[in-house]
Amino acid sequence: IAGITQAPTSQILAAGRRMTLRCTQDMRHNAMYWYRQDLGLGLRLIHYSNTAGTTGKGEVPDGYSVSRANTDDFPLTLASAVPSQTSVYFCASSDGTSGGDNEQFFGPGTRLTVL
Amino acid sequence: GQNIDQPTEMTATEGAIVQINCTYQTSGFNGLFWYQQHAGEAPTFLSYNVLDGLEEKGRFSSFLSRSKGYSYLLLKELQMKDSASYLCAVMDSNYQLIWGAGTKLIIKP
Repeated sequence: IAGITQAPTSQILAAGRRMTLRCTQDMRHNAMYWYRQDLGLGLRLIHYSNTAGTTGKGEVPDGYSVSRANTDDFPLTLASAVPSQTSVYFCASSDGTSGGDNEQFFGPGTRLTVL
Repeated sequence: GQNIDQPTEMTATEGAIVQINCTYQTSGFNGLFWYQQHAGEAPTFLSYNVLDGLEEKGRFSSFLSRSKGYSYLLLKELQMKDSASYLCAVMDSNYQLIWGAGTKLIIKP
């Protein structure tokens, strides 16, 4: 693989179900991010990780959790999905966390529909 | 609060020049990014400005004025493949990116 991969590509989920969105990068980037993108709104940061073993909350963390057990993987879990979590989810990574090193590389996205 | 403003949609003609503006109000400033996003695809990096002035990269240029909280992306010799959304993002004092909603650029023949 080259870059960032996300799985699944799309998913329809019943409300109340638990769901984990997977993200893997092979660029050995330190930082990883989860965003959601909704029509008419900018990308909104859900959670981030500046390095393996650490995570932080972004702008819209409620209802989501993440873990960063190693450099490559950064899964996002919805503990109990609700319809307002219907969105396109992008995972991204960057080599650094400041300045020009924060050029972020994005995965192809996961389109999630919660019914 | 933090705010990034961009026009929602712009239309331009193939071969022409278009300027996409972005104004921002953020808690701190550590650089401004422009990304391109084709429909149904992931955003891809175009440019980064941290100092005032113009950065040129082929057909694309990006300008920054920190005192005015203003940037623009200039696209020259427009091609049909330039039809996409263009996202402005500012890195705030916490080194988090604050994103604008994006400008959808429609190129007509």
